[in-house]
Amino acid sequence: NAGVMQNPRHLVRRRGQEARLRCSPMKGHSHVYWYRQLPEEGLKFMVYLQKENIIDESGMPKERFSAEFPKEGPSILRIQQVVRGDSAAYFCATQSQRSEKLFFGSGTQLSVL
Amino acid sequence: KNEVEQSPQNLTAQEGEFITINCSYSVGISALHWLQQHPGGGIVSLFMLSSGKKKHGRLIATINIQEKHSSLHITASHPRDSAVYICAVGESTGNQFYFGTGTSLTVIP
Repeated sequence: NAGVMQNPRHLVRRRGQEARLRCSPMKGHSHVYWYRQLPEEGLKFMVYLQKENIIDESGMPKERFSAEFPKEGPSILRIQQVVRGDSAAYFCATQSQRSEKLFFGSGTQLSVL
Repeated sequence: KNEVEQSPQNLTAQEGEFITINCSYSVGISALHWLQQHPGGGIVSLFMLSSGKKKHGRLIATINIQEKHSSLHITASHPRDSAVYICAVGESTGNQFYFGTGTSLTVIP
C-alpha cells in the first residue's frame, strides 16, 4: 500500500555490518508493527511501537535487534552485526483505528552475504 | 502448532474455476484478515472480518467464530488472481497478529 513507505526496498550487507530499515506510516497513523518473513515461512511479529514508545517487543530477538519510533521521522528497525540468518523480508504495517484494516509497506528485502 | 493454519498450501486452477482457501485458528481473536501478496512482495488487505460474510467483487470471505474457521472464495478465477493469499488473526488479548504461511494460487489461462 503506497500509504506506508518503507526504504530501502533492497539492502545488501556483509556479515558483521549494521542494517537500518525505515518505515513511515500513513498520515494520521501514529503506530507501526514490524514483521519478518523468512523464506517459505509466514510473517512473524517482531515489535509494535507508538510514537516514542515501544508497546510490545515480545517478538524481537533479545540481541542485536532494536526498534524505535521517534517523535519526528520514520520508525527504524536496526540490526547490528548481521548474520546470514537475518536475511529475510521485513515489513512494517499500520492499522486503521476506524476500519481496523491493515496497511503494509512494500517491505525491505535484506540479504546478508 | 501454529496459531493459524491454512490449506491448501498450493493451489492450481483453470481460469473460470471457483476457488476456496481455508483458514483455521486456535487463539481468541478480535478480527481476521485476508491478505494478498503478489510476486515482488507487496501485501494488500482484502478483507477484515469479525463475523459473518463479506463480498468484494469476485471475492467472498466468511468466518465462523464458534468453529474458529474462515474461508476465502474466488468466483470465476482469472490469471491475475495468481498470488499468495494469507490469513491473519488479531488476538483479542494483546497487540499481536498471527499469520498463516499462505496459500500460493496459480490460475492458468
